[in-house]
Amino acid sequence: SQKIEQNSEALNIQEGKTATLTCNYTNYSPAYLQWYRQDPGRGPVFLLLIRENEKEKRKERLKVTFDTTLKQSLFHITASQPADSATYLCALEYRGSQGNLIFGKGTKLSVKP
Amino acid sequence: KAGVTQTPRYLIKTRGQQVTLSCSPISGHRSVSWYQQTPGQGLQFLFEYFSETQRNKGNFPGRFSGRQFSNSRSEMNVSTLELGDSALYLCASSLGTGASYNEQFFGPGTRLTVL
Repeated sequence: SQKIEQNSEALNIQEGKTATLTCNYTNYSPAYLQWYRQDPGRGPVFLLLIRENEKEKRKERLKVTFDTTLKQSLFHITASQPADSATYLCALEYRGSQGNLIFGKGTKLSVKP
Repeated sequence: KAGVTQTPRYLIKTRGQQVTLSCSPISGHRSVSWYQQTPGQGLQFLFEYFSETQRNKGNFPGRFSGRQFSNSRSEMNVSTLELGDSALYLCASSLGTGASYNEQFFGPGTRLTVL
């Protein structure tokens, strides 16, 4: 069956460190993979998108990698801050999905001062 | 530009009742997607509407339905509510050009509680 998994429900790190979140998928032919941030009581907010033929994408302190051989994406936040504390969701758009997204359940990141 | 708006923000209903949720997309966006979010299942796709037509549907029972109006506003209806329908219902809008890249802009959601 098709799955998209974020293998940590929660991640606690110290301020200033790099947070690394993992997203794995099975049985999909991905077109794009997206990362979203969700704060309590709010809808998800788009952060980054990476295409299947891209290895890495950066935006300020954020970096996403995409390894279609391992069927895995890594999401990094460098120099993390308490304001980065939120739930981070990965979402896969696969071939034939007509643009619809399959979401992972999210990883709750807590950055301690 | 105003963001995606959803009304109401909170709803309490009892089993067996029906409910209608509303979503106004970002101006110029023609695609509206609906998602159900629960702690156990995460974000699950319900359906997508584009130019008043349902373009895609997730794996939910027929009690869940929707529609889209000519101004791209969308409504979602759930009939014969069950306790398990308690969730955050999120609406997302996008340009919906049909290109495979499809950044979605989410609303704040409607928190539905079924008693």
